Amino acid sequence: GQNIDQPTEMTATEGAIVQINCTYQTSGFNGLFWYQQHAGEAPTFLSYNVLDGLEEKGRFSSFLSRSKGYSYLLLKELQMKDSASYLCAVKDSNYQLIWGAGTKLIIKP
Amino acid sequence: GAVVSQHPSWVICKSGTSVKIECRSLDFQATTMFWYRQFPKQSLMLMATSNEGSKATYEQGVEKDKFLINHASLTLSTLTVTSAHPEDSSFYICSGREGGVDYEQYFGPGTRLTVT
Repeated sequence: GQNIDQPTEMTATEGAIVQINCTYQTSGFNGLFWYQQHAGEAPTFLSYNVLDGLEEKGRFSSFLSRSKGYSYLLLKELQMKDSASYLCAVKDSNYQLIWGAGTKLIIKP
Repeated sequence: GAVVSQHPSWVICKSGTSVKIECRSLDFQATTMFWYRQFPKQSLMLMATSNEGSKATYEQGVEKDKFLINHASLTLSTLTVTSAHPEDSSFYICSGREGGVDYEQYFGPGTRLTVT
């Protein structure tokens, strides 16, 4: 079966750095996405990785290792507004998005 | 980025009634639209995929006669929950894709449905 694993919840301090990991086992791979979802709202796109390596976009970076079936989302200079769920999703061989359950990130002052 | 709207943003209905949710792509033509359902503290679950002018393809376990999907134009898709029950209470999210499978999906803001 297809499976995406990410931690259920993480806590970090305002101004710090946090890394959210995602491991996947899917039938084929056509890219990995990270989305941010605030409670009661729809997901918003953060990043897309299809090749190995690090993609940096402001305070957010995403890393991919296809051989390891592994990705992480790195958030720097954490702000209170970063408190949200972070969803990892993989496009499989049929280009269908397979979603992880999400990681709830709690930022403390 | 491209914008997708949903209406209503929240709705409360009585058990046994039907409710329609609209999903519109505002600045692009969505050849494909997706409908998701999300229960509290759970991930998005794809319900169905629809291509403009064609019948929707439903995921396993989703009742097509209960969740009616219409995608009559390139900018509008509707989801009708028929004979709603309290267990249908959920957060329904649509997304649109402009082109083929390599194109990005853009998500609507979601509709909170509560069935009493």
